[in-house]
Amino acid sequence: EVVLTQSPATLSLSPGDRATLSCKASQSVTFYLAWYQQRSGQAPRLLIYDASKRATGIPARFSGSGSGTDFTLTISRLEPEDFAVYYCQQRSNWPQLTFGGGTKVEIK
Amino acid sequence: EVQLVESGGAVVRPGGSLRISCAASGFTFDDYTMYWVRQAPGKGLEWISLINWDSSSTYYADSVKGRFTISRDNSKNSLYLQMNSLRTEDTAFYYCVKDVATMGLYFASWGQGALVTVSS
Repeated sequence: EVVLTQSPATLSLSPGDRATLSCKASQSVTFYLAWYQQRSGQAPRLLIYDASKRATGIPARFSGSGSGTDFTLTISRLEPEDFAVYYCQQRSNWPQLTFGGGTKVEIK
Repeated sequence: EVQLVESGGAVVRPGGSLRISCAASGFTFDDYTMYWVRQAPGKGLEWISLINWDSSSTYYADSVKGRFTISRDNSKNSLYLQMNSLRTEDTAFYYCVKDVATMGLYFASWGQGALVTVSS
């Protein structure tokens, strides 16, 4: 099983700040990694897939990078609606699809 | 607009069974792989099952293998999850999810979830 470790567990920032979230895989997943946002009380939403491709309708302030075992989600300038929990997910080791434990971005 | 609406969530005794359903609309249902993903209250996400477009391939997470069965009815644009031998640790919101592509293996669109509570 591919284990995804996200850090930090919590990120305390202010609106307008830059957010940098990390996801590390226990073995290479090449570029087969996605990022999701889950706002409080809502279902998750796909942001990024194949490490760097933005999903339909996702604002340009969200970007993804990385390959192999190290990946980053960057939010260039935090908007109020961006305070949420973010998960990474790999599909390299399919059919066993796994998620990371999540990073909460909270208002400082 | 893609819509996924789960139904059938309930309180069930340990060892019991339950079937939850998902009604899909707004896209060509039989073009896509479909999934069930669950989330225990206050916890993270866990993929539990997938079914390809024509039901010829189904896969399960080890945590539910042998107890849960995924199925679909393309004539009704519906996805199902039959859950048997339920355990307290199966308590979760169960999300019906559409793939980003025919077999993209990413979770593009999500329902609002059906709550399954396993408790005596």
